[in-house]
Amino acid sequence: NFMLTQPHSVSESPEKTVTISCTHSSGSIATNYVQWYQQRPGSAPTTVIYQDNQRPSGVPDRFSGSIDSSSNSASLTISGLKTEDEADYYCQSFDVNHLWVFGGGTKLTVL
Amino acid sequence: QITLKESGPTLVKPTQTLTLTCTFSGFSLSTNKMGVGWIRQPPGKALEWLALIFWDDDKRYSPSLKSRLTITKDTSKNQVVLTMTNMDPVDTGTYYCARTTYSGSFFFDSWGQGTLVTVSS
Repeated sequence: NFMLTQPHSVSESPEKTVTISCTHSSGSIATNYVQWYQQRPGSAPTTVIYQDNQRPSGVPDRFSGSIDSSSNSASLTISGLKTEDEADYYCQSFDVNHLWVFGGGTKLTVL
Repeated sequence: QITLKESGPTLVKPTQTLTLTCTFSGFSLSTNKMGVGWIRQPPGKALEWLALIFWDDDKRYSPSLKSRLTITKDTSKNQVVLTMTNMDPVDTGTYYCARTTYSGSFFFDSWGQGTLVTVSS
């Protein structure tokens, strides 16, 4: 099986832009779609990106997703940071048998 | 409105079997490309996918836990049940159920509030 590796934590100031990476340990990141989930403290996760770069309705366009085959990684970019964006973020994809895999999560601090 | 709610014991003893029920509304698990999955989260740690059952009774399990898990559905009751055998203190955590449906990709688009399960003697 493979792993999705995320930085443990990132921090940035309000109104700035931050990018969270999610690196596929083996195989190609482009083989299966990547999703991103936001989990605020004490709450269940919610989806902010699916199918690599699609936003569910209600998610602001400050959130965007991308795939970079050269680094074999996916990225979640949040622009115009707000204090309400402070949360844990998890990437998720699938293995060859379509089994679900989550990344280790990244804690975003908005200073 | 889609809702999911987990129910089950809050405390189980080591070696016991855990049975969790996810009761949902606002969708039917007999609908094409619909599924319900279970995900857990130890205190202060990351999400871990456990199992998923699809509308056609296709079942998927985490390879590392497959021998201990069973997922079933009761479409008439709008429920999905997860059983996990031989519980250990390391299985302590919040257990979530979530809906998945296909929209270019499968993803969990609705989650329950989670239920905290503690494994202790």
